[in-house]
Amino acid sequence: KQEVTQIPAALSVPEGENLVLNCSFTDSAIYNLQWFRQDPGKGLTSLLLIQSSQREQTSGRLNASLDKSSGRSTLYIAASQPGDSATYLCAVLNQAGTALIFGKGTTLSVSS
Amino acid sequence: KAGVTQTPRYLIKTRGQQVTLSCSPISGHRSVSWYQQTPGQGLQFLFEYFSETQRNKGNFPGRFSGRQFSNSRSEMNVSTLELGDSALYLCASSFNHISYNEQFFGPGTRLTVL
Repeated sequence: KQEVTQIPAALSVPEGENLVLNCSFTDSAIYNLQWFRQDPGKGLTSLLLIQSSQREQTSGRLNASLDKSSGRSTLYIAASQPGDSATYLCAVLNQAGTALIFGKGTTLSVSS
Repeated sequence: KAGVTQTPRYLIKTRGQQVTLSCSPISGHRSVSWYQQTPGQGLQFLFEYFSETQRNKGNFPGRFSGRQFSNSRSEMNVSTLELGDSALYLCASSFNHISYNEQFFGPGTRLTVL
């Protein structure tokens, strides 16, 4: 059974700092991995999608990497801003390609 | 291009009642998936509909059901509500079924069961 873990559960950093969020999964046979952002009480905003054949994806100040063999992904946020404060969720598409399996998320707080 | 919309945004029901939630996908998207989000369990997959057919179902009791219409709009129904059904219900759409495409989520429906 696929399990997704995100560490740390919460993170506080000062504005301008570069940071890394971690995601690990137990079954390396995945279709893809997606990073989302969720603001309090809101839905999910898709940030980056990495297909299983890819190693990384970049969008603006965000860079996500994928290492299937070790069951890990990282989301790198450069020059963090207060507007980046949110919960970041990673999700893997399970081996059967039938459902996204989510981690519990990392809640990021960026102070000005 | 309009995003995924969900109605209603908030619902308050009592135990034993039933509820129907609605999701309109992004125009042209044919797959709609439903998820339940609670503080304890996080986000859990309920089911996926593609071209009016349920493709996959998560590990939820039969009280949770859904359907999809020819215009790809989807409804989710929960019968005989329990306190534990209080959650944020999110739907997501994609162009093709979820094996191939990025998922786009709606704002969710917050259901409170009293």
